[in-house]
Amino acid sequence: SQKIEQNSEALNIQEGKTATLTCNYTNYSPAYLQWYRQDPGRGPVFLLLIRENEKEKRKERLKVTFDTTLKQSLFHITASQPADSATYLCALPSGGYNKLIFGAGTRLAVHP
Amino acid sequence: DAEITQSPRHKITETGRQVTLACHQTWNHNNMFWYRQDLGHGLRLIHYSYGVQDTNKGEVSDGYSVSRSNTEDLPLTLESAASSQTSVYFCASSEWGTEQYFGPGTRLTVT
Repeated sequence: SQKIEQNSEALNIQEGKTATLTCNYTNYSPAYLQWYRQDPGRGPVFLLLIRENEKEKRKERLKVTFDTTLKQSLFHITASQPADSATYLCALPSGGYNKLIFGAGTRLAVHP
Repeated sequence: DAEITQSPRHKITETGRQVTLACHQTWNHNNMFWYRQDLGHGLRLIHYSYGVQDTNKGEVSDGYSVSRSNTEDLPLTLESAASSQTSVYFCASSEWGTEQYFGPGTRLTVT
Protein backbone atom coordinates (compact mmCIF):
# COMPACT_ATOMS: atom_id res chain seq x y z
CA SER A 1 0.00 0.00 0.00
CA GLN A 2 1.01 3.58 -0.57
CA LYS A 3 3.02 5.24 2.21
CA ILE A 4 4.09 8.85 2.65
CA GLU A 5 7.25 9.99 4.39
CA GLN A 6 7.75 13.50 5.65
CA ASN A 7 10.64 14.63 7.80
CA SER A 8 9.42 14.31 11.38
CA GLU A 9 12.07 16.68 12.68
CA ALA A 10 11.10 20.32 12.90
CA LEU A 11 12.60 22.68 10.37
CA ASN A 12 13.96 25.88 11.88
CA ILE A 13 14.84 28.76 9.57
CA GLN A 14 15.47 32.48 9.73
CA GLU A 15 12.91 34.98 8.54
CA GLY A 16 13.43 35.90 4.91
CA LYS A 17 14.98 32.57 3.93
CA THR A 18 13.38 29.91 1.75
CA ALA A 19 11.90 26.92 3.56
CA THR A 20 11.92 23.61 1.68
CA LEU A 21 9.87 20.66 2.91
CA THR A 22 10.01 17.17 1.44
CA CYS A 23 7.31 14.59 0.80
CA ASN A 24 8.33 11.12 -0.42
CA TYR A 25 5.93 8.36 -1.39
CA THR A 26 6.70 4.71 -1.79
CA ASN A 27 4.65 3.06 -4.51
CA TYR A 28 2.84 4.10 -7.66
CA SER A 29 2.79 7.72 -8.73
CA PRO A 30 -0.50 9.34 -7.75
CA ALA A 31 -2.75 11.29 -10.09
CA TYR A 32 -2.18 14.35 -7.91
CA LEU A 33 -0.61 15.43 -4.65
CA GLN A 34 -1.83 18.05 -2.18
CA TRP A 35 -0.24 20.19 0.50
CA TYR A 36 -2.04 21.44 3.60
CA ARG A 37 -1.14 23.73 6.46
CA GLN A 38 -2.19 22.95 10.04
CA ASP A 39 -1.96 25.35 12.97
CA PRO A 40 -2.11 24.06 16.58
CA GLY A 41 -5.66 23.25 17.66
CA ARG A 42 -7.09 23.72 14.16
CA GLY A 43 -8.02 21.60 11.18
CA PRO A 44 -5.76 21.37 8.13
CA VAL A 45 -6.20 24.03 5.46
CA PHE A 46 -5.61 23.27 1.78
CA LEU A 47 -2.76 25.13 0.09
CA LEU A 48 -1.90 23.64 -3.29
CA LEU A 49 -2.68 20.70 -5.56
CA ILE A 50 -0.26 19.51 -8.24
CA ARG A 51 -1.17 16.92 -10.87
CA GLU A 52 1.12 14.17 -12.15
CA ASN A 53 1.61 15.91 -15.51
CA GLU A 54 2.67 19.16 -13.84
CA LYS A 55 6.26 19.67 -12.81
CA GLU A 56 5.71 22.82 -10.79
CA LYS A 57 2.88 24.90 -9.32
CA ARG A 58 3.08 28.34 -7.75
CA LYS A 59 0.82 30.43 -5.56
CA GLU A 60 2.16 33.71 -4.24
CA ARG A 61 5.21 32.77 -2.09
CA LEU A 62 4.51 29.05 -2.33
CA LYS A 63 5.95 26.65 -4.89
CA VAL A 64 5.39 22.92 -5.21
CA THR A 65 7.30 20.52 -7.43
CA PHE A 66 6.39 16.94 -8.33
CA ASP A 67 9.04 14.49 -9.51
CA THR A 68 7.46 11.14 -10.38
CA THR A 69 10.89 9.61 -11.09
CA LEU A 70 12.14 10.38 -7.58
CA LYS A 71 8.65 9.78 -6.10
CA GLN A 72 8.98 13.10 -4.36
CA SER A 73 7.31 16.46 -3.95
CA LEU A 74 9.08 19.54 -2.62
CA PHE A 75 7.21 22.43 -1.01
CA HIS A 76 8.95 25.79 -0.92
CA ILE A 77 8.04 28.96 0.95
CA THR A 78 10.10 31.90 -0.23
CA ALA A 79 10.76 35.00 1.87
CA SER A 80 9.48 33.11 4.91
CA GLN A 81 7.80 34.95 7.76
CA PRO A 82 7.14 34.00 11.40
CA ALA A 83 3.44 33.74 10.42
CA ASP A 84 4.41 30.80 8.17
CA SER A 85 5.26 28.76 11.29
CA ALA A 86 2.93 25.73 11.26
CA THR A 87 2.86 22.04 10.43
CA TYR A 88 2.69 21.23 6.72
CA LEU A 89 1.04 18.03 5.56
CA CYS A 90 1.43 16.23 2.28
CA ALA A 91 -1.48 14.11 0.98
CA LEU A 92 -2.17 11.95 -2.03
CA PRO A 93 -5.00 9.70 -3.23
CA SER A 94 -4.83 6.06 -2.25
CA GLY A 95 -7.41 3.36 -2.90
CA GLY A 96 -9.60 5.73 -4.87
CA TYR A 97 -9.47 9.10 -6.59
CA ASN A 98 -11.01 10.98 -3.66
CA LYS A 99 -9.63 9.08 -0.69
CA LEU A 100 -6.48 10.67 0.65
CA ILE A 101 -3.67 9.42 2.83
CA PHE A 102 -1.71 12.01 4.75
CA GLY A 103 1.87 12.24 5.85
CA ALA A 104 2.53 12.90 9.52
CA GLY A 105 3.62 16.43 8.63
CA THR A 106 6.70 18.57 9.13
CA ARG A 107 6.69 21.40 11.63
CA LEU A 108 8.19 24.61 10.35
CA ALA A 109 9.40 27.32 12.73
CA VAL A 110 10.43 30.67 11.23
CA HIS A 111 12.46 32.78 13.61
CA PRO A 112 12.66 36.61 13.43
CA ASP B 1 -20.17 31.65 3.58
CA ALA B 2 -20.10 27.87 3.29
CA GLU B 3 -18.49 26.07 6.17
CA ILE B 4 -18.01 22.76 7.94
CA THR B 5 -18.72 22.57 11.65
CA GLN B 6 -18.16 19.93 14.30
CA SER B 7 -19.74 19.47 17.71
CA PRO B 8 -18.94 19.17 20.46
CA ARG B 9 -15.46 20.72 20.33
CA HIS B 10 -14.43 18.92 23.49
CA LYS B 11 -15.90 15.79 25.05
CA ILE B 12 -14.96 13.68 28.05
CA THR B 13 -16.68 10.32 28.35
CA GLU B 14 -16.29 7.07 30.22
CA THR B 15 -15.18 3.74 28.87
CA GLY B 16 -18.07 1.74 27.47
CA ARG B 17 -20.37 4.66 26.72
CA GLN B 18 -21.75 5.36 23.27
CA VAL B 19 -20.64 8.71 21.88
CA THR B 20 -21.73 10.55 18.73
CA LEU B 21 -19.70 13.32 17.14
CA ALA B 22 -21.54 15.61 14.76
CA CYS B 23 -20.29 16.98 11.44
CA HIS B 24 -22.29 19.42 9.32
CA GLN B 25 -21.22 21.02 6.04
CA THR B 26 -22.91 23.68 3.94
CA TRP B 27 -20.63 23.29 0.90
CA ASN B 28 -23.11 20.83 -0.66
CA HIS B 29 -20.23 18.42 -1.17
CA ASN B 30 -20.95 14.79 -1.98
CA ASN B 31 -17.82 13.46 -0.27
CA MET B 32 -17.39 13.47 3.50
CA PHE B 33 -14.65 11.97 5.63
CA TRP B 34 -13.81 11.30 9.26
CA TYR B 35 -10.21 11.20 10.47
CA ARG B 36 -8.49 10.82 13.77
CA GLN B 37 -5.18 12.52 14.51
CA ASP B 38 -2.73 11.19 17.06
CA LEU B 39 0.85 12.18 17.79
CA GLY B 40 3.19 10.19 15.59
CA HIS B 41 0.44 8.89 13.30
CA GLY B 42 -0.82 11.90 11.49
CA LEU B 43 -4.34 11.84 10.06
CA ARG B 44 -5.89 8.39 9.68
CA LEU B 45 -9.12 7.76 7.82
CA ILE B 46 -11.93 6.21 9.88
CA HIS B 47 -14.96 6.23 7.55
CA TYR B 48 -16.01 8.08 4.43
CA SER B 49 -19.08 8.66 2.30
CA TYR B 50 -19.47 9.57 -1.37
CA GLY B 51 -23.14 10.47 -1.12
CA VAL B 52 -26.44 9.92 0.67
CA GLN B 53 -26.83 6.35 1.91
CA ASP B 54 -23.22 5.55 0.96
CA THR B 55 -20.70 4.72 3.70
CA ASN B 56 -17.30 3.02 3.56
CA LYS B 57 -14.70 1.83 6.02
CA GLY B 58 -11.35 3.51 6.20
CA GLU B 59 -8.02 2.45 7.61
CA VAL B 60 -9.04 2.47 11.30
CA SER B 61 -12.80 1.77 11.32
CA ASP B 62 -13.06 -0.80 14.15
CA GLY B 63 -15.30 0.50 16.94
CA TYR B 64 -16.75 3.34 14.82
CA SER B 65 -19.80 3.70 12.60
CA VAL B 66 -21.31 6.43 10.40
CA SER B 67 -24.58 7.02 8.61
CA ARG B 68 -25.42 9.44 5.78
CA SER B 69 -29.10 10.34 5.59
CA ASN B 70 -28.61 13.70 3.88
CA THR B 71 -25.90 15.62 2.04
CA GLU B 72 -25.00 17.94 4.92
CA ASP B 73 -24.36 15.57 7.84
CA LEU B 74 -22.10 12.62 8.63
CA PRO B 75 -22.28 11.78 12.35
CA LEU B 76 -19.57 9.50 13.75
CA THR B 77 -20.61 7.06 16.50
CA LEU B 78 -18.30 5.26 18.89
CA GLU B 79 -20.35 2.22 19.84
CA SER B 80 -18.55 1.53 23.14
CA ALA B 81 -15.84 4.06 23.84
CA ALA B 82 -12.37 2.74 24.69
CA SER B 83 -9.33 4.59 26.03
CA SER B 84 -7.56 3.87 22.73
CA GLN B 85 -10.13 6.13 21.07
CA THR B 86 -8.90 9.19 22.94
CA SER B 87 -7.87 11.42 20.07
CA VAL B 88 -8.64 14.52 18.04
CA TYR B 89 -11.29 13.85 15.41
CA PHE B 90 -11.60 15.83 12.18
CA CYS B 91 -14.39 15.83 9.68
CA ALA B 92 -13.77 16.93 6.08
CA SER B 93 -15.71 17.32 2.86
CA SER B 94 -14.78 17.65 -0.79
CA GLU B 95 -15.98 17.56 -4.33
CA TRP B 96 -14.70 14.96 -6.78
CA GLY B 97 -10.90 14.88 -6.96
CA THR B 98 -10.38 18.22 -5.25
CA GLU B 99 -9.13 19.61 -1.99
CA GLN B 100 -10.73 18.67 1.30
CA TYR B 101 -12.23 21.25 3.64
CA PHE B 102 -11.73 20.39 7.30
CA GLY B 103 -13.76 21.19 10.36
CA PRO B 104 -12.21 22.61 13.55
CA GLY B 105 -11.93 19.20 15.22
CA THR B 106 -13.34 17.49 18.31
CA ARG B 107 -11.01 16.57 21.14
CA LEU B 108 -12.33 13.38 22.73
CA THR B 109 -11.04 11.98 26.01
CA VAL B 110 -12.16 8.53 27.15
CA THR B 111 -11.50 7.91 30.86
